[in-house]
Amino acid sequence: EAGVAQSPRYKIIEKRQSVAFWCNPISGHATLYWYQQILGQGPKLLIQFQNNGVVDDSQLPKDRFSAERLKGVDSTLKIQPAKLEDSAVYLCASGPIQGWQTQYFGPGTRLLVL
Amino acid sequence: AQSVTQLDSQVPVFEEAPVELRCNYSSSVSVYLFWYVQYPNQGLQLLLKYLSGSTLVKGINGFEAEFNKSQTSFHLRKPSVHISDTAEYFCAVSSYSGGGADGLTFGKGTHLIIQP
Repeated sequence: EAGVAQSPRYKIIEKRQSVAFWCNPISGHATLYWYQQILGQGPKLLIQFQNNGVVDDSQLPKDRFSAERLKGVDSTLKIQPAKLEDSAVYLCASGPIQGWQTQYFGPGTRLLVL
Repeated sequence: AQSVTQLDSQVPVFEEAPVELRCNYSSSVSVYLFWYVQYPNQGLQLLLKYLSGSTLVKGINGFEAEFNKSQTSFHLRKPSVHISDTAEYFCAVSSYSGGGADGLTFGKGTHLIIQP
């Protein structure tokens, strides 16, 4: 079974630029999550999707971050414009309906904002 | 609201010695508890989870954890560590709110350093 795929793996941009990350969850997984992991901290949930609907985006900085999950499969997370403090690893995770308590994580996208 | 406290940011241990990584949580609802491991430049891998039932949970790579409801703790243990166990360990909690599993709330992590 293929795992959660994310791209790109690394991205370097300057502040005020825009950037987008892509996530392909495990086939059949209905729930998809985006987390932000700042260096030295645990991951923090940004947004949770159930199929193509948003379940929780209470911690998403909506003035600059946006996310979508078209057709309930792949998802993209966008930052526009980026700030220095957005430098972090962005992790995508997915979960099945059965065994829903367990989330499976992708390798992450490491973002550096200069 | 939920929170997780990992009491040690760094734990140095000699190879083949036992180790315990401490985790305390707070929540107003029933929670599910997890330990994840993160090797350098990799994503998070599930070590073990407590959903219900027996409070002693066994996971991969010889790790186990015990859920203690009265002390709101979920400490991770291994009787004998190996160099390959060097990694960052995260304790996390989740609950259910009808829309599927809630997103995980993580602790800040404990860096396990194995010394030869």
